[in-house]
Amino acid sequence: LAKTTQPISMDSYEGQEVNITCSHNNIATNDYITWYQQFPSQGPRFIIQGYKTKVTNEVASLFIPADRKSSTLSLPRVSLSDTAVYYCLVDPMNRDDKIIFGKGTRLHILP
Amino acid sequence: DGGITQSPKYLFRKEGQNVTLSCEQNLNHDAMYWYRQDPGQGLRLIYYSQIVNDFQKGDIAEGYSVSREKKESFPLTVTSAQKNPTAFYLCASSTSTNRVHEQYFGPGTRLTVT
Repeated sequence: LAKTTQPISMDSYEGQEVNITCSHNNIATNDYITWYQQFPSQGPRFIIQGYKTKVTNEVASLFIPADRKSSTLSLPRVSLSDTAVYYCLVDPMNRDDKIIFGKGTRLHILP
Repeated sequence: DGGITQSPKYLFRKEGQNVTLSCEQNLNHDAMYWYRQDPGQGLRLIYYSQIVNDFQKGDIAEGYSVSREKKESFPLTVTSAQKNPTAFYLCASSTSTNRVHEQYFGPGTRLTVT
């Protein structure tokens, strides 16, 4: 199972772009990278998923270099409501493999 | 409205009592999961089920039991054998197609045992 490492916490200001990097050195060939967002006392919510290069949706962008050993979640122009915990996961193609939620990155947006 | 529900939102029990947490989904998902979250921590997998009438232990199954008699339902029983049952419990479901699975989470049940 590929383990991920991400910063424990980050602070930023409203209107800034926030980049959260995650390392996953032993990612397997068929694994995807997935990011979830969790607000206090709620279940996590899927944000974005990718395999390589760049993926963008209405919420975020995900950058994955060619070696796939790391990924960066980019949140454009954050607001106070983006204060949450962000989890980076390696998502195995093999359905018998579990996915592992680490401790995530606690992002705090300041006014 | 499709979704995943957990009830109740808050649950209080005395030590030594078993308690069952409900999880229901109408997303027609084959796979369902139970996680535990302690304050300031990530999610830890308790049990998961890929198909009806089958389930596997996760990383912290001791003191817990589950059943999967229906596709829609995956109740979790916290037994008196669980040493530190007070936690936030999250249920999730996902499809079992070959593409990578996105997990949909319920709102959670906060269990307090005194």
